[in-house]
Amino acid sequence: LAKTTQPISMDSYEGQEVNITCSHNNIATNDYITWYQQFPSQGPRFIIQGYKTKVTNEVASLFIPADRKSSTLSLPRVSLSDTAVYYCLVGDPRLSGGYNKLIFGAGTRLAVHP
Amino acid sequence: DAGVTQSPTHLIKTRGQQVTLRCSPKSGHDTVSWYQQALGQGPQFIFQYYEEEERQRGNFPDRFSGHQFPNYSSELNVNALLLGDSALYLCASSPLGQGANEQYFGPGTRLTVT
Repeated sequence: LAKTTQPISMDSYEGQEVNITCSHNNIATNDYITWYQQFPSQGPRFIIQGYKTKVTNEVASLFIPADRKSSTLSLPRVSLSDTAVYYCLVGDPRLSGGYNKLIFGAGTRLAVHP
Repeated sequence: DAGVTQSPTHLIKTRGQQVTLRCSPKSGHDTVSWYQQALGQGPQFIFQYYEEEERQRGNFPDRFSGHQFPNYSSELNVNALLLGDSALYLCASSPLGQGANEQYFGPGTRLTVT
């Protein structure tokens, strides 16, 4: 499983765009990149998943360069409620016939200030 | 549509005791995974159940065992509790083979071992 590296913490202010970059130099051909969000005392919540180029949903955008060795989660116009830990995960959802365990790192603690 | 539910919310046990935690998956999901999350760390995979069998296991001792019932609900059992077992225990469910990187987490059970 590819190891990921992301900043331990980030600070931002309400209304700003936040970009969190994740490095995954050993990503395999079949691996997808997935981001989860976790609020205190809650379970992680799936945000977005992508394989290459750009993926956008109602919550965030995910940018993946051609070499796929890194990815950037972009949160537009953050609010105080976006204060959370963000995890970058890399893995093949089809591994072992569909059984897939998620490998979490320490994540990035995002603090949004008024 | 109820999401993943877990019980109890909080639990306090003494070293050496045994504990059972319960999880009901999201409607339509048949695969259940358990994770342990120590304070300040990312969730760590314990094991995964599908068709009432353990399919994958993380690096956890045999004191950690589980079960899945015909209705897909699951239990996590921990024997001979240690102080280091104090953590948030998360249950996650997913439909087998369908974007397995997207798992739905419950709110967790906070276990304190004294």
